[in-house]
Amino acid sequence: SQTIHQWPATLVQPVGSPLSLECTVEGTSNPNLYWYRQAAGRGLQLLFYSVGIGQISSEVPQNLSASRPQDRQFILSSKKLLLSDSGFYLCAWSRDSLREQFFGPGTRLTVL
Amino acid sequence: AQSVTQPDIHITVSEGASLELRCNYSYGATPYLFWYVQSPGQGLQLLLKYFSGDTLVQGIKGFEAEFKRSQSSFNLRKPSVHWSDAAEYFCAVGAATEYNFNKFYFGSGTKLNVKP
Repeated sequence: SQTIHQWPATLVQPVGSPLSLECTVEGTSNPNLYWYRQAAGRGLQLLFYSVGIGQISSEVPQNLSASRPQDRQFILSSKKLLLSDSGFYLCAWSRDSLREQFFGPGTRLTVL
Repeated sequence: AQSVTQPDIHITVSEGASLELRCNYSYGATPYLFWYVQSPGQGLQLLLKYFSGDTLVQGIKGFEAEFKRSQSSFNLRKPSVHWSDAAEYFCAVGAATEYNFNKFYFGSGTKLNVKP
C-alpha cells in the first residue's frame, strides 16, 4: 500500500530564516506530487505541483519554491521566511492528474 | 474560471440526526468531484469521489453524495451522524487545464459540530 510522509510535523521559525519541508511517498512510482497551503478558516491553496523529477509548476507568485530531486521526494523551501508564510502545509500525491489525491499529515509552520 | 462553493461555514447537528453538506461548483465540462474530511491538525482523508456513471455515490463511514448536473451540485449526506463525524469537510472539483492537467479546486470547507 502507499503511504505519504511529511516532516517536520510542527515548526516554529523566526522571520528571515530559511525553510525546508520534506514530503516522501512510498509504495508507488512516478506519482504526481502537490504542495498546498491551508490558512485558518480557508480552503486549500495549491502552491506547486510536479509530474516528474525536476518538473515543477508554480501556481502563485510567492516567497516559496519547490524541488523534486527524486521520484518520490518533494521539498518545499524558502530562503527567507515572512510572517505571511505561517500556515498548515499539506503534501499530496496522485497516480495521475485525473485521479484522487492522497494527503500527508501536514506541517504546521509558525513564523514569528 | 473553475470554483467550488460551500455555502455553510459551520453546521451543528445532534447525534443521530441526518446531515447534508452543500457543495456547488462552476465548471464548463463534466467535472471530477470529491469530498474530503479533515480532523483537527490532520491531513485530508478521501470520503468519496464521482467520475462518471451513477450519480449517487457511496463512500466510507456511511457517507454518500449525489451529483446533480442541472444544479451544479454535489451534496454530501449521511442518514445518522455519529459524534466521531465532527470534523471539517471539503468539497473539491478536478478540472482539466489548458495543458490537459487536472487541477483540484477546493471549497473553503464546512465545519461540522455534533451535539450529544
